[in-house]
Amino acid sequence: SQQGEEDPQALSIQEGENATMNCSYKTSINNLQWYRQNSGRGLVHLILIRSNEREKHSGRLRVTLDTSKKSSSLLITASRAADTASYFCAQVRRGNTPLVFGKGTRLSVIA
Amino acid sequence: NAGVTQTPKFQVLKTGQSMTLQCAQDMNHEYMSWYRQDPGMGLRLIHYSVGAGITDQGEVPNGYNVSRSTTEDFPLRLLSAAPSQTSVYFCASTSTRFYEQYFGPGTRLTVT
Repeated sequence: SQQGEEDPQALSIQEGENATMNCSYKTSINNLQWYRQNSGRGLVHLILIRSNEREKHSGRLRVTLDTSKKSSSLLITASRAADTASYFCAQVRRGNTPLVFGKGTRLSVIA
Repeated sequence: NAGVTQTPKFQVLKTGQSMTLQCAQDMNHEYMSWYRQDPGMGLRLIHYSVGAGITDQGEVPNGYNVSRSTTEDFPLRLLSAAPSQTSVYFCASTSTRFYEQYFGPGTRLTVT
């Protein structure tokens, strides 16, 4: 398979807690992106991290990238019920070929 | 801007029928892609285009055709529908080499 893998497949937390999702991939990348999908909707881009970056922040989101381990993590701090969704990582490999998606992490935030 | 639009939202086909899923974007994006999403499988790339007149195959192209005659439109054709093509189909576009893709709302297709 060409897909990356997110871990865990599902995560359930209380509102206010932090949520951490991990992503592993197989080949060298140009950049890695995280997307959110609310039930029954299209995906929405959250954040992009380039291969020469190690950490990036956007609001309550923090993304790290370790190219030596071919892995990334997405941290959502102070989670809210509205964060309930599936989260996908996607890679743009060398040569700028289209995004390769993982299978996603289903996050449930309980109020 | 309407962004990326897809029609229809829902479709039921019988095995062997053909149809076209429509995708349009009004952001003047060069890059467009079609994905299918099946339970537990994530998104898999069917076909993509890097500009008008240029298309290429993705991970799961069999049974599908695409064309890109204009920058705005990127239709996906099912040649002879099969139950294995039951899925949710997403179209996406981006302006710069697949950075930050914009997704349409999806078409839910059932083949009986």
